[in-house]
Amino acid sequence: DQQVKQNSPSLSVQEGRISILNCDYTNSMFDYFLWYKKYPAEGPTFLISISSIKDKNEDGRFTVFLNKSAKHLSLHIVPSQPGDSAVYFCAASVWAGGGNKLTFGTGTQLKVEL
Amino acid sequence: NAGVTQTPKFRVLKTGQSMTLLCAQDMNHEYMYWYRQDPGMGLRLIHYSVGEGTTAKGEVPDGYNVSRLKKQNFLLGLESAAPSQTSVYFCASSRFGQGQETQYFGPGTRLLVL
Repeated sequence: DQQVKQNSPSLSVQEGRISILNCDYTNSMFDYFLWYKKYPAEGPTFLISISSIKDKNEDGRFTVFLNKSAKHLSLHIVPSQPGDSAVYFCAASVWAGGGNKLTFGTGTQLKVEL
Repeated sequence: NAGVTQTPKFRVLKTGQSMTLLCAQDMNHEYMYWYRQDPGMGLRLIHYSVGEGTTAKGEVPDGYNVSRLKKQNFLLGLESAAPSQTSVYFCASSRFGQGQETQYFGPGTRLLVL
């Protein structure tokens, strides 16, 4: 049972426009949400996160929105740049008494075209 | 400061062979994790460690063993490799286990079991 879902395997956006990546979750116990970015042949790198007590977090060109009632979060990248082309993983965390156990989505391949 | 490193980068095994994947981190992190990533799936947690000398099972632990004899190292062992263990393996570490703690990932080990 996939508790974190990214229903769009790929997204193509023009340079300078907005990229919106979506993520849905089913477990209401998740209390922290993160986005990781992954380039080919590299490990994922942390991008931005949001606590379940907030509905928005912004860091430069990246903004994450959380809608708890809909169990939905999204990552907005404005403006999109060619270097943003990568796979983006949504992840959710719940404190289970030991370890920061992340549940990852399947990823969305973002391609930013010139 | 190398961060998280993984050895080897790529390996081919025959069914039934054994091997050990090594993860090392130089950030003095308490927590370390092993994930596997398969096509069309997100990263799944195999085992994790909350400190030197301690290990715990993650989501998909069967067929793997781990050891954390030194704080900076986390070893993942396959005693009798199976084709189903063909995957990309990522190691990660974090300072502590709370949800907001960023996990830092290594570059991955690509394993092919024939």
